Amino acid sequence: SQQGEEDPQALSIQEGENATMNCSYKTSINNLQWYRQNSGRGLVHLILIRSNEREKHSGRLRVTLDTSKKSSSLLITASRAADTASYFCATAGGSYIPTFGRGTSLIVHP
Amino acid sequence: DAGITQSPRHKVTETGTPVTLRCHQTENHRYMYWYRQDPGHGLRLIHYSYGVKDTDKGEVSDGYSVSRSKTEDFLLTLESATSSQTSVYFCAISEADSHSGELFFGEGSRLTVL
Repeated sequence: SQQGEEDPQALSIQEGENATMNCSYKTSINNLQWYRQNSGRGLVHLILIRSNEREKHSGRLRVTLDTSKKSSSLLITASRAADTASYFCATAGGSYIPTFGRGTSLIVHP
Repeated sequence: DAGITQSPRHKVTETGTPVTLRCHQTENHRYMYWYRQDPGHGLRLIHYSYGVKDTDKGEVSDGYSVSRSKTEDFLLTLESATSSQTSVYFCAISEADSHSGELFFGEGSRLTVL
């Protein structure tokens, strides 16, 4: 069964707007990762945040982690059409094996 | 890009036939994984390997077997394919000696079982 669950399932925005996706999980984790998947391609790692971290940035990406609420959010600022993709969170617990959610489909309209 | 090659990339087969998917890496990473991706289910782990001849089951391992006789190759076998195994299969590898790092994915193998 999925550990992480992304919300919303689908998101449609205009270019230049910010996109926020959330991930909730059920059990304690060692780290949480976000991945992007373009249509028909493999997943690409975006960012990893460890359980003792609260926020990380990478370019236009900002990830937060709230272990008390068992949730994480991925913010993409100033979205571009090229950001259109599916985004997945993956949680790793004691075994460190990443478990993926079902993903959020993001469409950025030019 | 991480050097991960999956083969075949596309395969159509019939129910009851054996199928083997191959994952080949040139990165010398210790850990290798097989996931399947289905609409509405995201990615689910089938099997993983933490070294040559060291493998373990994932969430959806029934009907699948794996082998790793060399660091660079991880094979996924469907002994007798069923229509429920129609899916896109992804191989992934992870760096160094820890699970805790990022995964690098192959481009996927699309399998259709008729």
